[in-house]
Amino acid sequence: SQTIHQWPATLVQPVGSPLSLECTVEGTSNPNLYWYRQAAGRGLQLLFYSVGIGQISSEVPQNLSASRPQDRQFILSSKKLLLSDSGFYLCAWSPGTGGRGYTFGSGTRLTVV
Amino acid sequence: AQSVTQLGSHVSVSEGALVLLRCNYSSSVPPYLFWYVQYPNQGLQLLLKYTTGATLVKGINGFEAEFKKSETSFHLTKPSAHMSDAAEYFCAVSYSGGSNYKLTFGKGTLLTVNP
Repeated sequence: SQTIHQWPATLVQPVGSPLSLECTVEGTSNPNLYWYRQAAGRGLQLLFYSVGIGQISSEVPQNLSASRPQDRQFILSSKKLLLSDSGFYLCAWSPGTGGRGYTFGSGTRLTVV
Repeated sequence: AQSVTQLGSHVSVSEGALVLLRCNYSSSVPPYLFWYVQYPNQGLQLLLKYTTGATLVKGINGFEAEFKKSETSFHLTKPSAHMSDAAEYFCAVSYSGGSNYKLTFGKGTLLTVNP
């Protein structure tokens, strides 16, 4: 069966520090991968998605970047965090064809101080 | 373009009462429809989905939803609310097109269950 792992669960970082959140999927190949952010009261915001190694699409210009160095690994990064980067970050995967929806990771609570 | 509207950002019910969470969608092609539930500080969990076939879909935890094409709706219901149902619920829409389909989510409805 397929599983998705996301870590860390919580993170407190100072303003201006770098960020690296990692997400890996097991039990499938060539998944579509997604990074979402939830800020308080603002719903789910799609940040990046990827349909293959090295293929990244950005939905919202911002202080973050994403990379997919391996088929089942998706990394969210920042060189210098801002206060506004605080939020709950969710990774998700889906198969290449429609109808199955997304499977989400357990999320990372990021607090920038 | 597809979109999802969840009517009511906050719904409050008494334990044992009917739960009704509303979702309307717009899609230029036949949609796939989903309901997800999110408990505090957790990821989203799939409750149920409609792809094709029977329009009344049953999911986990006693929830069900009915796809009504004429009303472009996919409302989520549960006959009797339980305290453990308190969570945020998201409706989402997609369609079978291309190899990189994306879900469009509603803004979510927070369900509160009162004892």
